[in-house]
Amino acid sequence: GAVVSQHPSRVICKSGTSVKIECRSLDFQATTMFWYRQFPKQSLMLMATSNEGSKATYEQGVEKDKFLINHASLTLSTLTVTSAHPEDSSFYICSAPTSGRSDTQYFGPGTRLTVL
Amino acid sequence: AQSVTQPDIHITVSEGASLELRCNYSYGATPYLFWYVQSPGQGLQLLLKYFSGDTLVQGIKGFEAEFKRSQSSFNLRKPSVHWSDAAEYFCAVGAGYGGSQGNLIFGKGTKLSVKP
Repeated sequence: GAVVSQHPSRVICKSGTSVKIECRSLDFQATTMFWYRQFPKQSLMLMATSNEGSKATYEQGVEKDKFLINHASLTLSTLTVTSAHPEDSSFYICSAPTSGRSDTQYFGPGTRLTVL
Repeated sequence: AQSVTQPDIHITVSEGASLELRCNYSYGATPYLFWYVQSPGQGLQLLLKYFSGDTLVQGIKGFEAEFKRSQSSFNLRKPSVHWSDAAEYFCAVGAGYGGSQGNLIFGKGTKLSVKP
């Protein structure tokens, strides 16, 4: 099946710094990618939809100025957590849907962010 | 509003025993339903999906699920569990399938433990 990668897999940063997370579709093109956040023992919650060539759309309650999304190409979307705080510590997961009949979403392995 | 409920947070079964993981959904239109498995350090892997047609869906790794519209359920089953099936299982509902038709809404997950 299709492969989606994320980098880094883990990151620890100091409060106030910014962290960039990359999501790549390795063997297919994705005009849309989704960014989810998963708290411990919780479900995945959609944060935003990343659209190649246009602005991302954010879910209610998600600060777009804090979580910057850039869909630079048909295979790369980045999520930048700006001025990170301890409450931003979480597991961030991206997904990319393939097009065509199968039209299935493939998920990256996730990025564990810890803000000290 | 769309929602997914997985009533069981944690289930333990003996290896070789049968398994059923419950999932109930709330959705106004015909749902697109998915089961994903998440192992530690791994991305979400699609087990199976239901879009239309036969309500009994076969997936990978010997899993199957049955869509019951009258009960708003999409329970996951496996006749004989293997130790390698220990993981977190997520049920999800989508407005469409992948692409521009929208994101997925996830249940909170059911953690499966397998006793030797």
